[in-house]
Amino acid sequence: EIVLTQSPGTLSLSPGERATLSCRASRSIPSNYLAWYQQKPGQVPRLLIYGASSRAAGIPDRFSGSGSETDFTLTISRLQPEDFALYYCQQYSSWTFGQGTKVEIK
Amino acid sequence: QVQLVQSGAEVKKPGASVKVSCKASGYTFTDYYIHWVRQAPGQGLEWIGWIHPNSGGTNYAQKFQAWVTMTRDTSITTTYMELNRLRSDDTAIYYCARDGAVGYHDYWGQGTLVTVSS
Repeated sequence: EIVLTQSPGTLSLSPGERATLSCRASRSIPSNYLAWYQQKPGQVPRLLIYGASSRAAGIPDRFSGSGSETDFTLTISRLQPEDFALYYCQQYSSWTFGQGTKVEIK
Repeated sequence: QVQLVQSGAEVKKPGASVKVSCKASGYTFTDYYIHWVRQAPGQGLEWIGWIHPNSGGTNYAQKFQAWVTMTRDTSITTTYMELNRLRSDDTAIYYCARDGAVGYHDYWGQGTLVTVSS
């Protein structure tokens, strides 16, 4: 099983700041099969990024993904009030999720 | 538009079974896998498995293999996930999600809360 470790656990930032979230895999993920999801309290997860760097439909361009093999990053260039949420990475080579990073208002 | 509509909340006793449904609309049902994911209260996301609505083929996470069954009824574009021998730590929101193309989940159902309590 590929274990995904997200860091940090919590990120405290102000609106307008840049957020950098990390997702590290226990072994290389084939074909960059890595996705990022956003989940707000009481809501359903929403797909942000797939294929490590491709934005899903309707996702603002302030969200970007990068990385390969075992190290992946989700960047939110300028945090908007609606971006404060939980973020999960997922590898879909054999389907596991990271434990999540909470982005909270500082 | 793509929609996945799940059945309502359930309360079950330990040892019982639960069957959650997920009705798809807005796309060709047999062209896309359906995944099931769960989220225990205050916890992260856990993948359970997938079913291919066309063939009925399934793939379950090893943890769930002995006690989950996924089925589908193509005539009503609905997939089902049944969990047997429920325990209290199976209390969670269960989501169905469409496979976007190669495994990520592009559309999600609204979730079904399953509570296991004596």
